[in-house]
Amino acid sequence: GAVVSQHPSWVICKSGTSVKIECRSLDFQATTMFWYRQFPKQSLMLMATSNEGSKATYEQGVEKDKFLINHASLTLSTLTVTSAHPEDSSFYICSAPDRVNTEAFFGQGTRLTVV
Amino acid sequence: DAKTTQPPSMDCAEGRAANLPCNHSTISGNEYVYWYRQIHSQGPQYIIHGLKNNETNEMASLIITEDRKSSTLILPHATLRDTAVYYCIVKLYGANSKLTFGKGITLSVRP
Repeated sequence: GAVVSQHPSWVICKSGTSVKIECRSLDFQATTMFWYRQFPKQSLMLMATSNEGSKATYEQGVEKDKFLINHASLTLSTLTVTSAHPEDSSFYICSAPDRVNTEAFFGQGTRLTVV
Repeated sequence: DAKTTQPPSMDCAEGRAANLPCNHSTISGNEYVYWYRQIHSQGPQYIIHGLKNNETNEMASLIITEDRKSSTLILPHATLRDTAVYYCIVKLYGANSKLTFGKGITLSVRP
């Protein structure tokens, strides 16, 4: 199947700093990518839909100024957590749908810990 | 909100078939049933999807009832590596259609 790569796999940052997470589709192009967040023992919650060449669409309750999304090319979307706080500590996961097969492929996730 | 309901957990013996049920009584005519699984601390993995016919691939079989209000994912010979949370999701067909995850069912495969 198609491959979606996320980087970094884990990151620890100090409170107040910003962290960038990259999501790449390695062998296919994705005009749309999705960003999820998952807290311990909970399900994945969709945060936003990243659209290549246009603004991201955020789910209700997700602060767009805090979670900056850039989809600069057909193979790369980035999520920047700005001014991170301990409550932002979570598992962040991206996905990209294969335009041919339409099933979504997921990155391996990024474990963010804010101290 | 997720449009599916699944039992919270089940277990099965290694080598036996695992039958994971899912109810989706409000599914609309143009929505497909998708199954994904998430092994601990990893991103979800696509398993299979279907509209109304039964489907089979190298990973699993998907049985959808005639009224489409429920389905069953079958892992024919479960292994320890199949221990994961399995998500049943209904969504419109298409690359840009969102996946909305419910709580899923935790499958534990015992030796």
